[in-house]
Amino acid sequence: QSVLTQPPSASGTPGQRVTISCSGANSNIASYTVNWYQQLPGTAPKLLIYSNNQRPSGVPDRFSGSKSGTSASLAISGLQSEDEADYYCAAWDDSLNGVVFGGGTKLTVL
Amino acid sequence: QVQLQESGPGLVKPSETLSLTCTVSGGSISYYYWTWIRQPPGKGLEWIGYIYSGGSTNYNPSLKSRVTISVDTSKNQLSLKLTSVTAADTAVYYCARSGDGFSLFDYWGQGTLVTVSS
Repeated sequence: QSVLTQPPSASGTPGQRVTISCSGANSNIASYTVNWYQQLPGTAPKLLIYSNNQRPSGVPDRFSGSKSGTSASLAISGLQSEDEADYYCAAWDDSLNGVVFGGGTKLTVL
Repeated sequence: QVQLQESGPGLVKPSETLSLTCTVSGGSISYYYWTWIRQPPGKGLEWIGYIYSGGSTNYNPSLKSRVTISVDTSKNQLSLKLTSVTAADTAVYYCARSGDGFSLFDYWGQGTLVTVSS
């Protein structure tokens, strides 16, 4: 059971917009910034969104992040087949005194 | 471009010690936090702990009694030791650099699969 809660799966058709939620608590998301990672099949995770809503250089602006209270969201617009991957949220947690991850969401492009 | 490369045995026997090294190239290990993360086959990511280049550490409470992370700045390497391993420790182990924030990992190694089996 992960400290941050994500839906195990999400799906959409090419061109659609999908959102992935990440639910936490006062000890993590409400108090600290959220980062999102994309893990393509067979590869290491890659930083996708940092500090709630910032994109690293090279990440398309189709990817966006937001945070409100104890929840965060990742939105992907103009869905493409190459977006099919696992997505993870992460944040610092005061109760654990460490980093917590969401359980991951497997995105399928239909 | 910073690159990280994990290395170590791919097979460890139950009750023995898992030892991995992460070699950092293309940049200095100094003045950054470096983290170990693992991922059991087919499962999600688990934070193991971090070390600052100066040597201070912080570990996941669930692993704290068995984990040691160390750094060798002269070799630009960090290491992970996990004692008394069981099958539950079978996972891909990643090293990563922490950017601005402990949960912000801006560079990752490719990962190395460690299987615990007799």
